Amino acid sequence: QKEVEQNSGPLSVPEGAIASLNCTYSDRGSQSFFWYRQYSGKSPELIMFIYSNGDKEDGRFTAQLNKASQYVSLLIRDSQPSDSATYLCAVLYNNAGNMLTFGGGTRLMVKP
Amino acid sequence: EPEVTQTPSHQVTQMGQEVILRCVPISNHLYFYWYRQILGQKVEFLVSFYNNEISEKSEIFDDQFSVERPDGSNFTLKIRSTKLEDSAMYFCASGELAGGFDEQFFGPGTRLTVL
Repeated sequence: QKEVEQNSGPLSVPEGAIASLNCTYSDRGSQSFFWYRQYSGKSPELIMFIYSNGDKEDGRFTAQLNKASQYVSLLIRDSQPSDSATYLCAVLYNNAGNMLTFGGGTRLMVKP
Repeated sequence: EPEVTQTPSHQVTQMGQEVILRCVPISNHLYFYWYRQILGQKVEFLVSFYNNEISEKSEIFDDQFSVERPDGSNFTLKIRSTKLEDSAMYFCASGELAGGFDEQFFGPGTRLTVL
């Protein structure tokens, strides 16, 4: 059974701080990792993906991947109240028809 | 910016009735997906579709479910005889590439309520 685990939160950070969101996965065959943002009642919105060990930066967002530890994280710098949402980690297993397996999400609250 | 669209936004049906959920994927995408999310729970994969056939399906996607691409733009999910537990948000997604680097873009979803 392929599992993706996230702390459900809520994670509360003050405006302007760095928010750190974490995700672990169970299958070493995982190839690609995605972060989605989901506002309440809305659909998942792709933020970024990563497939190589190390860091990948896109604006205020940095994804970090450590395949040896089966760990992926998302850092949000200069957090804004509009970043308040649930952040979903998703893992793609190549041999499974591009099926994304999602974690339960971490709820982030950025306080002004 | 191109986006995935879905209709209807909300569907209410009686248990045992058939429903068809519709999606228009992004036009140059070749890979199509259905996911669902029961209120308060994880997003769950249902089925992936490529080259006019199912490439993968989950345990949820039983004989009550079917997918079709009836023309060059629409992608549909049919539930033949709805059950109460089918109540959920259903998301269509599409992607451009196969393999590990397929970014899947989600539509706004259809909220299905089975009474």
